Amino acid sequence: DTAVSQTPKYLVTQMGNDKSIKCEQNLGHDTMYWYKQDSKKFLKIMFSYNNKELIINETVPNRFSPKSPDKAHLNLHINSLELGDSAVYFCASSHGGVPETQYFGPGTRLLVL
Amino acid sequence: LAKTTQPISMDSYEGQEVNITCSHNNIATNDYITWYQQFPSQGPRFIIQGYKTKVTNEVASLFIPADRKSSTLSLPRVSLSDTAVYYCLVGDFFPNAGKSTFGDGTTLTVKP
Repeated sequence: DTAVSQTPKYLVTQMGNDKSIKCEQNLGHDTMYWYKQDSKKFLKIMFSYNNKELIINETVPNRFSPKSPDKAHLNLHINSLELGDSAVYFCASSHGGVPETQYFGPGTRLLVL
Repeated sequence: LAKTTQPISMDSYEGQEVNITCSHNNIATNDYITWYQQFPSQGPRFIIQGYKTKVTNEVASLFIPADRKSSTLSLPRVSLSDTAVYYCLVGDFFPNAGKSTFGDGTTLTVKP
């Protein structure tokens, strides 16, 4: 009955590899997000996605690309992984209405070696 | 973007009331103020949300002055299980939500 789920929970990989993180929500929400949380616990939004409209945080490298096969899924693809990509990545969803409340997944802990 | 500022950390004892203030001087007219709680190895969880004045739910109260340039999360009678990081978020709904910014978080440590 998990509202927002992410896979995998842990991801250890080598520099230069390409990886994906999957996110699914069963809340019927129409807006989904990806956040990056670094070792200092700073939580930064990377993308928000509503139907076919994508809002990108301009500080996010273009090696990161979100892909949404349908309204319930928003996957994150990362190309040419770098050491600095090591972080916890959270997916979230919201109804998109006013006021907005976001529901977060459990996070994916990415370690790039 | 409405940038937020919070204290980095706070300590308290069980049974005390804890007030955490968030500054958001350039909050926009359409922005709401939302507070989230995050335990280690978990995603943030919604606590409370407001636009102006005071909001109260079963978990906390949120005080917002008339100028809305700050807000205060009040946790009554904290327990050890309230030890967590508390984030203030100022933002609008989609598509403007993509421009919302979380504060850097306040680490609350509740001691016995």
